[in-house]
Amino acid sequence: EIVLTQSPATLSLSPGERATLSCRASQSISSYLAWYQQIPGQAPRLLIYDSSNRATGIPARFSGSGSGTDFTLTISTLEPEDFAVYYCQQRSSWPLTFGQGTKVEIK
Amino acid sequence: EVQLVESGGGLVQPGGSLRLSCAASGFTFSTYGMHWVRQAPGKGLEWVSSISGSGDTTYSADSAKGRFTISRDNSKDTVYLRMYSLRAEDTALYYCARDSLSGSVGYAFDIWGQGTMVTVSS
Repeated sequence: EIVLTQSPATLSLSPGERATLSCRASQSISSYLAWYQQIPGQAPRLLIYDSSNRATGIPARFSGSGSGTDFTLTISTLEPEDFAVYYCQQRSSWPLTFGQGTKVEIK
Repeated sequence: EVQLVESGGGLVQPGGSLRLSCAASGFTFSTYGMHWVRQAPGKGLEWVSSISGSGDTTYSADSAKGRFTISRDNSKDTVYLRMYSLRAEDTALYYCARDSLSGSVGYAFDIWGQGTMVTVSS
């Protein structure tokens, strides 16, 4: 099973700042990584697939990068609605796995 | 509008069984893989099970193997999760999700329902 480790667990930032979230895989997963956003009380939302492709309707301030074992989700300028929990997920092999999440909170 | 609506959750005793349903609308259901993902209270996301568009290929997490069965009825645009021998640790919000790529299973999850809560307790 591929283990995804996200860091940091919590990121405290102010609106307008840049957020950088990390996801590390226990073995190479090529570019087969997705990112999701979950606002409390809501279902997750797909942000990025295959490491760097924005899903339909996702604002350009969200970007993803990386390949192999190290991946990054960047939110260029935090908007109030971006404060949420973010999960990475790999599709390189079964079982599909998620990281434990990074909470982006208002500082 | 593309939509997934889960139902069938509830309170069940340890060792009991439950069948979850997920009704899809707004897209050609039979061409998309479908998934179940769960989230225990206050915890992260855990993939549970997946099924191909035709229904002939399924995958399950180790925690679900032998106890949970995923199936689909393409004539009803519905995917199911039959759960047996339920344990306290199965308590979670169960989400149904669509695969993001038509003809694929296990790509990414682009459409999610609002979830149905399963509570396993005596």
